Amino acid sequence: GNSVTQMEGPVTLSEEAFLTINCTYTATGYPSLFWYVQYPGEGLQLLLKATKADDKGSNKGFEATYRKETTSFHLEKGSVQVSDSAVYFCAPEGSYIPTFGRGTSLIVHP
Amino acid sequence: DGGITQSPKYLFRKEGQNVTLSCEQNLNHDAMYWYRQDPGQGLRLIYYSQIVNDFQKGDIAEGYSVSREKKESFPLTVTSAQKNPTAFYLCASSIGAGLLSGELFFGEGSRLTVL
Repeated sequence: GNSVTQMEGPVTLSEEAFLTINCTYTATGYPSLFWYVQYPGEGLQLLLKATKADDKGSNKGFEATYRKETTSFHLEKGSVQVSDSAVYFCAPEGSYIPTFGRGTSLIVHP
Repeated sequence: DGGITQSPKYLFRKEGQNVTLSCEQNLNHDAMYWYRQDPGQGLRLIYYSQIVNDFQKGDIAEGYSVSREKKESFPLTVTSAQKNPTAFYLCASSIGAGLLSGELFFGEGSRLTVL
């Protein structure tokens, strides 16, 4: 089945710093790719998605580009805020059973 | 508004007791899932159901049971056989399963604590 490899966390940044969370995937074909975010004590919610190669998903200042050549879907934000502190999960569609890794915890300090 | 509702949000259980966590969706989704999340850990799949009256075990099904008698409902029972049930439980649904699953929609979670 499809799978992902995410960078280990936690990632600790100061407010207004640039964020990159790496995600690479293995998949059959070209599935849609998703980033989910989980705020403390809550369920996961979809942050952004890209449905085909070279698509860029964006939401709330976050962006990720579907790179077929490097099988990557890295999450970026130009200027993080304290409110972005959460756990981020990268996941491909197309797995028979949706699986999630540990996610990457982001901690943003004022 | 469409979505997934989990209840209760917090639940305390004495050792040896069974408890049932509720999960209801009004999204008309075929597939539903139960995940367990422990502190600092990712999501581990307990059970999933692709269609009414059918469900399959996930990676950590021992000590848990489910039913799928209605499309909108997928309750999870944590039995006394589950040795370490204290965790955060997440229910999710998707429009389809496998290659056509689309994105997953999650509930707010249920936190179970065994006293």
